[in-house]
Amino acid sequence: GENVEQHPSTLSVQEGDSAVIKCTYSDSASNYFPWYKQELGKGPQLIIDIRSNVGEKKDQRIAVTLNKTAKHFSLHITETQPEDSAVYFCAASEGTYKYIFGTGTRLKVLA
Amino acid sequence: GAVVSQHPSRVICKSGTSVKIECRSLDFQATTMFWYRQFPKKSLMLMATSNEGSKATYEQGVEKDKFLINHASLTLSTLTVTSAHPEDSSFYICSASGASSLDLNTEAFFGQGTRLTVV
Repeated sequence: GENVEQHPSTLSVQEGDSAVIKCTYSDSASNYFPWYKQELGKGPQLIIDIRSNVGEKKDQRIAVTLNKTAKHFSLHITETQPEDSAVYFCAASEGTYKYIFGTGTRLKVLA
Repeated sequence: GAVVSQHPSRVICKSGTSVKIECRSLDFQATTMFWYRQFPKKSLMLMATSNEGSKATYEQGVEKDKFLINHASLTLSTLTVTSAHPEDSSFYICSASGASSLDLNTEAFFGQGTRLTVV
């Protein structure tokens, strides 16, 4: 079955700097890769996603890149703000709407 | 995006009792719903997948008699934790998808989670 690894587990950046979180997956059949932001005591919220027919997608300060050959995808947050502080999860799906989640990254943006 | 509502957001129950958690899709028909469990500072662990009108499919290691799942309509799925014990205390999260097997849109929408504490 699919296995998703996520790094780093914690990440601290200064406000205004960029943050990068990386994930690798094992199942080449996976074709959908969402990223979620989870704040304390709340459910995950989708922030961006990418499908396997695209190499990069950007939405304002957030971008995701996908390398199908290497089976890894990354989340990039530019100009970080304190409100970006949260736990971020990557996930992979092979189209059955069953997501396998990464282990999460706790991002702290220092003011 | 679509809205998935989960209720209650928090519940405290006594050991040995059962507790029911509801997951509703408010503005779309959810053909498939998923139930996850999340331990503190850990990732989401898929417990089971439920399709409307059929039995849920449980992941390996998840006791189906302990975690009863019912997906009786296209807008409601319930998770009942039976004979709860303190080790069942956790954050439970549902997600819902309206996609059919022919639909390439694989996005699922998450509820806000339920914090269960068994005392």
